Amino acid sequence: KAGVTQTPRYLIKTRGQQVTLSCSPISGHRSVSWYQQTPGQGLQFLFEYFSETQRNKGNFPGRFSGRQFSNSRSEMNVSTLELGDSALYLCASSTGTLETQYFGPGTRLLVL
Amino acid sequence: GDSVTQMEGPVTLSEEAFLTINCTYTATGYPSLFWYVQYPGEGLQLLLKATKADDKGSNKGFEATYRKETTSFHLEKGSVQVSDSAVYFCALRSNSGGGADGLTFGKGTHLIIQP
Repeated sequence: KAGVTQTPRYLIKTRGQQVTLSCSPISGHRSVSWYQQTPGQGLQFLFEYFSETQRNKGNFPGRFSGRQFSNSRSEMNVSTLELGDSALYLCASSTGTLETQYFGPGTRLLVL
Repeated sequence: GDSVTQMEGPVTLSEEAFLTINCTYTATGYPSLFWYVQYPGEGLQLLLKATKADDKGSNKGFEATYRKETTSFHLEKGSVQVSDSAVYFCALRSNSGGGADGLTFGKGTHLIIQP
């Protein structure tokens, strides 16, 4: 079974721009979560979607948003990018909101 | 809120040495506990998990036991290999009643195994 896929793998943006990242979960998985990984803050939870509904949200500003489609694929969007948004963004999928999460390879975002 | 504490390292060992990476946690209720591993340039891979007290998770020679009385989930391996060099993350996931929360991670332990 194919794993979690994320596109693009690398991205360079400038301050003030917006960006959209995509995640395709493992086939049959209906829950998708997003995490931000930085050297300073480590791994932090952004939000989780299940059946197109946001079920949980971490402590991030409203510039960070997401959505999930009927095929369980998910996108996250960051508007008005700041230098501090440079990070590895990881997507994880699971069969349900209480089940084990499996991670994709991540999208590395650099904001200049 | 929930939190996970683990040694950050780097931890440097010789091949075939015994490994222990300590992990302690603070959480309300009865969380599930996980160890994930991250190789350079890659995402996180689930190494093992335990969902209730006294459960032992194991995989690829690694083991960890869910100790509720000491709120710990220490990772051990009897004989490490160079290929075990990676960053190891301890994590927990609580069920807050309204559904599971996101994973809470420790800062990660960088493990270096020398031949």
